[in-house]
Amino acid sequence: QSVLTQPPSASGTPGQRVTISCSGSSSNIGSSSVTWYQQIPGTAPKPLMYNSNERPSGVPDRFSGSKSGTSASLAISGLQSEDEADYYCAAWDDTLRGPVFGGGTKLTVL
Amino acid sequence: EVQLVQSAAEVKKPGESLKISCQASGYSFTKYWIAWVRQMPGRGLECVGIIYPGDSDTRYSPSFRGQVTISADKSSSTAFLQWTSLKASDTAMYYCARYGQSFDYWGQGILVTVSS
Repeated sequence: QSVLTQPPSASGTPGQRVTISCSGSSSNIGSSSVTWYQQIPGTAPKPLMYNSNERPSGVPDRFSGSKSGTSASLAISGLQSEDEADYYCAAWDDTLRGPVFGGGTKLTVL
Repeated sequence: EVQLVQSAAEVKKPGESLKISCQASGYSFTKYWIAWVRQMPGRGLECVGIIYPGDSDTRYSPSFRGQVTISADKSSSTAFLQWTSLKASDTAMYYCARYGQSFDYWGQGILVTVSS
C-alpha cells in the first residue's frame, strides 16, 4: 500500500482534459509541496511538476498542478497520444522523514 | 550538466551479496540528498531510502529498513545500495535520483535479477 493514494487508471480522448488525483495526509501533502512524474514504460521517470504547480523547463503548459489541504491533482489539457504514460505523485513525509510516492496512475489515450 | 550514471545490470543467485552504484557529476554531491527508488516488474515506484552525502544522514523507508544498506563516498561522488543476502523478491529496476525538493535528476536505472 502506497502512502499517497492515486486512482490506478485514467483515460481520455485526444483534445480532452483529464485530471489525476493524489490523496495524502497532514504529515505529507498537508505540510509539503507535491511533485509529479511521468514515466513512459521502459524509461526513467521524468519530472513533470514541482512545488505543486510549477513546471520544469520543457514541460508543456498543457500540464498543470494544484493542491488543497491533503490532496493534489495533475491536470492535462489538450490530451495528446504521447501523453499516454504512467503518472506518479510524491511528497516529503514528516513522520517517515523521507519522500513517499503514490501508487501511480496509468493514463490511456483512447 | 547534472548526470547520475548507474552501474550495469546484475544477475545474481538467491543468498548472494550485491552492491550497486550511482556516480554523480555536474553539481556539488554533498549538498543534495540521493534517493534509491525501486520499481518491481509491472509495479509502481517505491522509495527505498535517502542519504545526504554531506553528513551521511541516511533514512530508510519502513519496508526496506534492515534489508539493504545505503552509503556514499564523497571522494568519488558515488552513492551505493547493497544487499548481504539477495532474495528472488529483490528482482527489480533500481533508480538513483537526486532529491532537493523533488526527484529532479534520475539515473538510467539498474536491472537487478535474482534467480536460481
